[in-house]
Amino acid sequence: KAGVTQTPRYLIKTRGQQVTLSCSPISGHRSVSWYQQTPGQGLQFLFEYFSETQRNKGNFPGRFSGRQFSNSRSEMNVSTLELGDSALYLCASSLSGDYGYTFGSGTRLTVV
Amino acid sequence: AQSVTQPDIHITVSEGASLELRCNYSYGATPYLFWYVQSPGQGLQLLLKYFSGDTLVQGIKGFEAEFKRSQSSFNLRKPSVHWSDAAEYFCAVGVRERGSQGNLIFGKGTKLSVKP
Repeated sequence: KAGVTQTPRYLIKTRGQQVTLSCSPISGHRSVSWYQQTPGQGLQFLFEYFSETQRNKGNFPGRFSGRQFSNSRSEMNVSTLELGDSALYLCASSLSGDYGYTFGSGTRLTVV
Repeated sequence: AQSVTQPDIHITVSEGASLELRCNYSYGATPYLFWYVQSPGQGLQLLLKYFSGDTLVQGIKGFEAEFKRSQSSFNLRKPSVHWSDAAEYFCAVGVRERGSQGNLIFGKGTKLSVKP
């Protein structure tokens, strides 16, 4: 079966712009989590969605937001981009958020 | 506060040699523990996980890990390393709160290089 698909794979944006990243989970998976990976901070949890509801949120500013659609696909949005938002953004899906996570290959965001 | 420490940033081993990657965690309750591997430009692949029961856990690709509660450790081992094992390895603890199990706290990772 198809894995977790993240689009786009690479993205370059300018400071102050906003960006939307997309994640299509494995078919049947209802939980989607997002992580940010940077060389300095490592992997940090952004948020988790289950059945269109945000169940948990990490310690990120309000510029970071997300949503989940009825087909379990998820998007995350970052507004007013800063240079420090440059990172690899990883999406992971599982059947019910029971740690059976499968990660996508990520979206590499570069803010210039 | 929950945390995961991987003391070794970079390890180099010879192909065929044994490997042990260290991981220490801090978590108040019984931890859910994981090891992931990441190849350059790729996402994370789960190697193995520990929830309860037998403290020696077998994973994919010939890896195993041992949970030692007294030492708050979950070290990853492989008896004979292959060149294809060169990658970055992450230890993680799963945080359970407010009905959500979506929060993994990761260590900073250990980069493994394999010498021919």
